[in-house]
Amino acid sequence: DAGVIQSPRHEVTEMGQEVTLRCKPISGHDYLFWYRQTMMRGLELLIYFNNNVPIDDSGMPEDRFSAKMPNASFSTLKIQPSEPRDSAVYFCASRRESGANVLTFGAGSRLTVL
Amino acid sequence: QKEVEQDPGPLSVPEGAIVSLNCTYSNSAFQYFMWYRQYSRKGPELLMYTYSSGNKEDGRFTAQVDKSSKYISLFIRDSQPSDSATYLCAIGGPGGADGLTFGKGTHLIIQP
Repeated sequence: DAGVIQSPRHEVTEMGQEVTLRCKPISGHDYLFWYRQTMMRGLELLIYFNNNVPIDDSGMPEDRFSAKMPNASFSTLKIQPSEPRDSAVYFCASRRESGANVLTFGAGSRLTVL
Repeated sequence: QKEVEQDPGPLSVPEGAIVSLNCTYSNSAFQYFMWYRQYSRKGPELLMYTYSSGNKEDGRFTAQVDKSSKYISLFIRDSQPSDSATYLCAIGGPGGADGLTFGKGTHLIIQP
């Protein structure tokens, strides 16, 4: 099992540019979560999907943020336009529908907006 | 009051010491209690989880949940330099579908 795969691992961009982060969940996992981690706020849940359907996006900070899950093996988190305060590590996590509420995280995408 | 409170540390102890890490939470509906370990520049990885209350032991690690006090703890015995990491408590609701709410994490340093 390759685990949750995220890309890119690092992204440096300039304010105003569009950023797209990608995630491949573990095969067979029905839930996919996007989290953001900063020193000030810790890990914050942005949005999660169940069977490719967005269930709760109340954590998405602004309309500049959007997420999609076109199929069971791929999700994207897009920021347009990006701002310096979006600089953070973005994690994708997945879990099965049944069983314990245990999330498996990817290695994260470190975003720096200049 | 935040849903999950955790002292960010850093907590520095000598090798071999017993380490105690703690979190408090506010929502009594929480049923899943977990500890994740995060090494620098890595994603969080599950260390232990308990459902409802009580204790759970796994090798040198023991997790405790006191629902009456809304207090969870992780104990590490015979601490090793390789245990140096950030430890995040995570708490989930009864249905489990809403993801997990995390503490900010405690940065632990084990001095050789």
